[in-house]
Amino acid sequence: KNQVEQSPQSLIILEGKNCTLQCNYTVSPFSNLRWYKQDTGRGPVSLTIMTFSENTKSNGRYTATLDADTKQSSLHITASQLSDSASYICVVTPLSGGYNKLIFGAGTRLAVHP
Amino acid sequence: ETGVTQSPTHLIKTRGQQVTLRCSSQSGHNTVSWYQQALGQGPQFIFQYYREEENGRGNFPPRFSGLQFPNYSSELNVNALELDDSALYLCASSLGLGPTDTQYFGPGTRLTVL
Repeated sequence: KNQVEQSPQSLIILEGKNCTLQCNYTVSPFSNLRWYKQDTGRGPVSLTIMTFSENTKSNGRYTATLDADTKQSSLHITASQLSDSASYICVVTPLSGGYNKLIFGAGTRLAVHP
Repeated sequence: ETGVTQSPTHLIKTRGQQVTLRCSSQSGHNTVSWYQQALGQGPQFIFQYYREEENGRGNFPPRFSGLQFPNYSSELNVNALELDDSALYLCASSLGLGPTDTQYFGPGTRLTVL
């Protein structure tokens, strides 16, 4: 079973609309949870990072939330733009291990249409 | 751009061959991690190097090996290539091993094994 599950697998929205992507994780204990954006054929780029004690973090039109009790996170994108078309990946860093290991979800592929 | 570079961009090999992928980390970063990303999946952790020493390894066989050089650049070597090794290989550099140290990803090397 994957330790980080994301939904939906893919999503199509119209330019200017809002959307919310979901992430459920079982990694515990964990140090932090990040959302990355990955354009096709490119490396992921970090959007937000939240420690286990934080509930929300914003980066421009991106707002991430975290509920450590239910082990759920969401990424909300407001006023979507064509350039938002990409995969959005939820990433959890375990607290243990002694090294900076990231556990990735499979991502949500977002397509923003004009 | 993250300042992390990888070479080559694309590579085609046949089963049984060996391949070496290269990564130059961002200036000042002493930690490099390697990930394998199959099509439609999130990246999977291969291993991490800190100051020229392997500092953690994921569930990959020994035919996946690596090196980190004094300038903190790194190589990923894969021996006896298999068809399932076809993937995007990503390297990421960070300032250190801290769980909140952001990993900055390169653009990846697309490996195709025929």
